[in-house]
Amino acid sequence: QVQLKESGPGLVQPSQTLSLTCTVSGFSLTSNSVHWVRQPPGKGLEWMGGIWGDGSTDYNSALKSRLSISRDTSKSQVFLKMNSLQTDDTAIYFCTEGLDAWGQGASVTVSS
Amino acid sequence: DVVLTQTPPTLSATIGQSVSISCRSSQSLLDSDGDTYLNWLLQRPGQSPQLLIYSVSNLESGVPNRFSGSGSETDFTLKISGVEAEDLGVYYCMQATHAPLTFGSGTKLEIK
Repeated sequence: QVQLKESGPGLVQPSQTLSLTCTVSGFSLTSNSVHWVRQPPGKGLEWMGGIWGDGSTDYNSALKSRLSISRDTSKSQVFLKMNSLQTDDTAIYFCTEGLDAWGQGASVTVSS
Repeated sequence: DVVLTQTPPTLSATIGQSVSISCRSSQSLLDSDGDTYLNWLLQRPGQSPQLLIYSVSNLESGVPNRFSGSGSETDFTLKISGVEAEDLGVYYCMQATHAPLTFGSGTKLEIK
């Protein structure tokens, strides 16, 4: 059974860096892609980027300068790091396996 | 970036009624490999998105067959044949043919 779970701080100060972890089970990171998708309060879905089975990454060009996605296959974890956070980065952050299975989401508020 | 335009933005239906949602793409979603990577997802209130249909018309495992997808190139449709109460939520189309992956703005289905 494929499962994903996001973890990280619920509150981040403006200009700081967001670090999120997606812990997965039921599939191999070396065979499947994992993507990050976010959803601001009351709004739609935005693809942020993904890491493929071969370890290569793709990013939304609007976020590319601030975003990094990496993984630790031995721990079945995928990481998201995004710097220079602003209030409009407040959102629920989801990780998803190939856009098939989704985690429950991690709520992140950017506020001082 | 590919823009996906969904209509209508909101939909009100009675139980048993059949409804359709349109998704139009700003460019063809036919990939060079011959596949068309247009998917439909449902996000129920307070939940993570759920994949319903992939590659235009393929029903995800476990999804009821009252859901169906059709279309090609730039015009796509999701049909629900006989709405049930559990179908309420926001429906999104999304494309994975062109980077970056993009989502439609969503169609909110309400039950009368």
